[in-house]
Amino acid sequence: AQSVTQPDIHITVSEGASLELRCNYSYGATPYLFWYVQSPGQGLQLLLKYFSGDTLVQGIKGFEAEFKRSQSSFNLRKPSVHWSDAAEYFCAVAPSNDYKLSFGAGTTVTVRA
Amino acid sequence: GAVVSQHPSWVICKSGTSVKIECRSLDFQATTMFWYRQFPKQSLMLMATSNEGSKATYEQGVEKDKFLINHASLTLSTLTVTSAHPEDSSFYICSASTSGGAGTDTQYFGPGTRLTVL
Repeated sequence: AQSVTQPDIHITVSEGASLELRCNYSYGATPYLFWYVQSPGQGLQLLLKYFSGDTLVQGIKGFEAEFKRSQSSFNLRKPSVHWSDAAEYFCAVAPSNDYKLSFGAGTTVTVRA
Repeated sequence: GAVVSQHPSWVICKSGTSVKIECRSLDFQATTMFWYRQFPKQSLMLMATSNEGSKATYEQGVEKDKFLINHASLTLSTLTVTSAHPEDSSFYICSASTSGGAGTDTQYFGPGTRLTVL
């Protein structure tokens, strides 16, 4: 069974600074990889996903993620955060032949002025 | 596009009563809907998958007689928590997909329903 680890429970970053959220997965093959953002009162929104091809994936809201097979990682980055980026971020994986998503525990991002 | 709503957004009920949560896809037809449960500061755990017109498929450890799922139409799925107890208090989230057979399908998530059982 696959598993997802988000090592950082909470990250505080200054507005305008860069942000990197870590995600490691455990799976026998290369799974489909996702990053979601959850804001209070709103449903999870898909930021980006990786299935194959270019290992650097561009998403919405200025986010990008890089798949590194050798490290079983799919870290999310943003060069310059905005106060509106304060939210909960979830990394998720799905087997290539199944729709079932397995989520990490999430990372809470706080943005300070 | 691809909006999923849930109703109610929060509910408080007495122990022993049943509570129904609705999940609607507002602007697309959802062949498959998923129900998740999220505990505070924890990840989403998949409870069950429902396909329109079929019985739901429950994940291991989820009591199907306690969490009744109905997917009667392509835009509506309901989760009924029967004889609720305080340990059922949680945040319940649904998602919907236009199909359900491959990992490439995007799931669109509802805003969640906070259930508190007294």
